[in-house]
Amino acid sequence: AQSVSQHNHHVILSEAASLELGCNYSYGGTVNLFWYVQYPGQHLQLLLKYFSGDPLVKGIKGFEAEFIKSKFSFNLRKPSVQWSDTAEYFCAVNSYSSNTGKLIFGQGTTLQVKP
Amino acid sequence: EAGVAQSPRYKIIEKRQSVAFWCNPISGHATLYWYQQILGQGPKLLIQFQNNGVVDDSQLPKDRFSAERLKGVDSTLKIQPAKLEDSAVYLCASSLGSGRTSTDTQYFGPGTRLTVL
Repeated sequence: AQSVSQHNHHVILSEAASLELGCNYSYGGTVNLFWYVQYPGQHLQLLLKYFSGDPLVKGIKGFEAEFIKSKFSFNLRKPSVQWSDTAEYFCAVNSYSSNTGKLIFGQGTTLQVKP
Repeated sequence: EAGVAQSPRYKIIEKRQSVAFWCNPISGHATLYWYQQILGQGPKLLIQFQNNGVVDDSQLPKDRFSAERLKGVDSTLKIQPAKLEDSAVYLCASSLGSGRTSTDTQYFGPGTRLTVL
């Protein structure tokens, strides 16, 4: 069965520190990849997505992610975090062969940024 | 543009009772999804509708859960009877198309937090 694994459950950083959140998926076929974010008290919203082309994708608020097919990974990065980045981050996968829009989510990473 | 609307926002019931959740997707969105998010886990798809037809309900516990989208617009998810392990946030999402193209994004509602005592 397909699964998504996020390595860090809870990350604490100081403002201006660099961020990298790991995401690995288990599926050998073509996949579409996503990072969603949930700010405190708000809805899940899309940060960025990869469907094809350049494996380095840029999203909102200075976030980027790199798709490394050989490692089944889609890690999220930001060079300098801000207090407002405090949120829960979810990696998700949609497998091309599923023929639906079904997203399989990781368990999430809570990021706490200290001012 | 109005987002995905869900109600109620919170619900507390006792086990073996029934409960229903309502979702109104973004206007014009053909596809509607119901996800279950248990505390400490990521959302898990329960059912996906395209217009008023079911596309995927493979993870819906059909002995107690049911969902409908009769007119291809809003949708209702029901649990009858509820169990303790149904305590979770129930998220509704919608997308313009099938959710499988690069220009198609799933937009999520605020969710309904269900507590089963």
